Formats: sequence, structure tokens, C-alpha cells
Amino acid sequence: DAKTTQPNSMESNEEEPVHLPCNHSTISGTDYIHWYRQLPSQGPEYVIHGLTSNVNNRMASLAIAEDRKSSTLILHRATLRDAAVYYCILRIAHSGGSNYKLTFGKGTLLTVNP
Amino acid sequence: NAGVTQTPKFQVLKTGQSMTLQCAQDMNHEYMSWYRQDPGMGLRLIHYSVGAGITDQGEVPNGYNVSRSTTEDFPLRLLSAAPSQTSVYFCASYPLGTVSYGYTFGSGTRLTVV
Repeated sequence: DAKTTQPNSMESNEEEPVHLPCNHSTISGTDYIHWYRQLPSQGPEYVIHGLTSNVNNRMASLAIAEDRKSSTLILHRATLRDAAVYYCILRIAHSGGSNYKLTFGKGTLLTVNP
Repeated sequence: NAGVTQTPKFQVLKTGQSMTLQCAQDMNHEYMSWYRQDPGMGLRLIHYSVGAGITDQGEVPNGYNVSRSTTEDFPLRLLSAAPSQTSVYFCASYPLGTVSYGYTFGSGTRLTVV
């Protein structure tokens, strides 16, 4: 499975933008880049995903490098409620049971300071 | 929609006891899966299913059984609980045949085996 590398932790101030990096140098052409976050004592929550183009939704933006070997999750204005562990995961796009699994790393613990 | 519902939220078992963790989803998702999360770790896949009557093993299947008799339900059975199975368990679902969505997770079952 293609792996991702994320910093163990990052810190931000409330109301400021946050850029969470993810390296995935062994990504294949059919891997989608998924981001999830896990708030304390909760299950993971889907944030955003993309293949090649940058993506925006109500929660965040995803910037994907042209060579797809890295990506950045952007929270435009961090709030205290954004404090969580953020996971960057590669999801194989092919059909087939084992291809649907998500392989979690340890993620990045984001601390938001008031 | 309720999404993915897990019951119970908390459970304490004695070593050797058996129990079933329940997972139900109302989104008609074909794919369902079980993960466990140990302190300070990412999630690890236990078992998954791509539809009724079809199940397969994930990364850490030993000590756990699953079955899938309906699209909605995917129970996880511990036949003889061991302290090493103390963990938080998450169920997740996903609609097959699309790459447009993220996975939906339940809020988890916190299991302690004494």
C-alpha cells in the first residue's frame, strides 16, 4: 500500500489559516487522496478528497501538487473546534474488496490556541 | 438519516466472556468495515464486507468474527474476550461504485476487558 507521511503535530492560532502537509511520494495514478479528522473521543470524520485537481468544500480546501507526491489540507480560519487529529490517506480507486480499505497512519495532531 | 450507529457505547467484559458489537447504517452502503484504535495509534482494520453474505479479513482479524446477513447490519463478535482486545472500535461504511464520497464512521464502542 502506498504510504503517507505527516508531521506528528502542528499548532495554530484561532482565526488564522492552517496548512497541514502530507507527503505521498509512492502514490499511483489511481490513488485518491482522502483527508479525515478525529475530534477527541469521536469517530473519524470525512473532510475532503481529490485525485489531481485542487478541491474546495465547506470544511476545507485540498491543494494537490502537480506531481501528486504531496498535498496540503487548508483550513482557512481555524477555530477551537478544529483541534483534532488529521489523517491523510490514499484510497485505491479500483473496485475489489481489499481496495476499499482505508489504511490509517498516526496523523497530525492539530492544536488551536485561543 | 442516522448514518452509522454503534451500540453499545461502552462495555466492560471479563476475560473469556463473549459479546457482539453492533453496527447499523441506513444509507444503503454496500461496504462496511470494523476498525480498532489503541491509545496513541491510528485505526487498524479488523474485517470488512462488500455486501450481504461477503466478508473478508483485514489487518488484525484474530479473535474476531463477523457476518453480514443484511445490507444494514455488520456485527462484530468477540468469542472469548482477552485483555489485548481492550480498545475503541469503530464501524465505517461506504457506497460502492463511486469515488465521489468519503467514508462514514460511527461514534465508536469503548471496550475494556478485565
